[in-house]
Amino acid sequence: DAKTTQPPSMDCAEGRAANLPCNHSTISGNEYVYWYRQIHSQGPQYIIHGLKNNETNEMASLIITEDRKSSTLILPHATLRDTAVYYCNSGGTSYGKLTFGQGTILTVHP
Amino acid sequence: EAQVTQNPRYLITVTGKKLTVTCSQNMNHEYMSWYRQDPGLGLRQIYYSMNVEVTDKGDVPEGYKVSRKEKRNFPLILESPSPNQTSLYFCASSAGTANTEAFFGQGTRLTVV
Repeated sequence: DAKTTQPPSMDCAEGRAANLPCNHSTISGNEYVYWYRQIHSQGPQYIIHGLKNNETNEMASLIITEDRKSSTLILPHATLRDTAVYYCNSGGTSYGKLTFGQGTILTVHP
Repeated sequence: EAQVTQNPRYLITVTGKKLTVTCSQNMNHEYMSWYRQDPGLGLRQIYYSMNVEVTDKGDVPEGYKVSRKEKRNFPLILESPSPNQTSLYFCASSAGTANTEAFFGQGTRLTVV
């Protein structure tokens, strides 16, 4: 799995878009970029993943740069319930293993 | 509903008293794994299983055992728990390909005194 780098913390006002960056400069061509989040001490929750193209689902959008060395998770209208630790990782679950870095603590404030 | 179920959610035990944390998934996933989460150290994999009767060590296997006798269940066994195994534990399952996400249980907070 490629090593990922994320800012340790970010703030966002409620109702605004939260843009969380991730650097994965060593990602290989067949590795997907995944985003998970962990609210308090609950189990990590899958958000979205992508390979090359930008992706959108009911939770978020994922923008992957053309060279695939970085990506941005976008929560279009952040709510207080989006306050969590957000993890970016790559490689999917080959052999059932996920490698998590330290993630970004996103705090959404009123 | 697709889910991974861990039990118990909370457990306080004494050093040396064998315990088992159960994990069950209802998605017919082949891959299952156990993680522990400690402050400042993030999520670290303990053991994983690629199918029934196939298990292997993760990054921090010392002091733990697992078994995979059925596809849906993957219990974590601590034969002789010690205080340094006090942690938050998560079980996860996945189809195991690069294009599939993992599903996590709600966690088991274990305290060994």
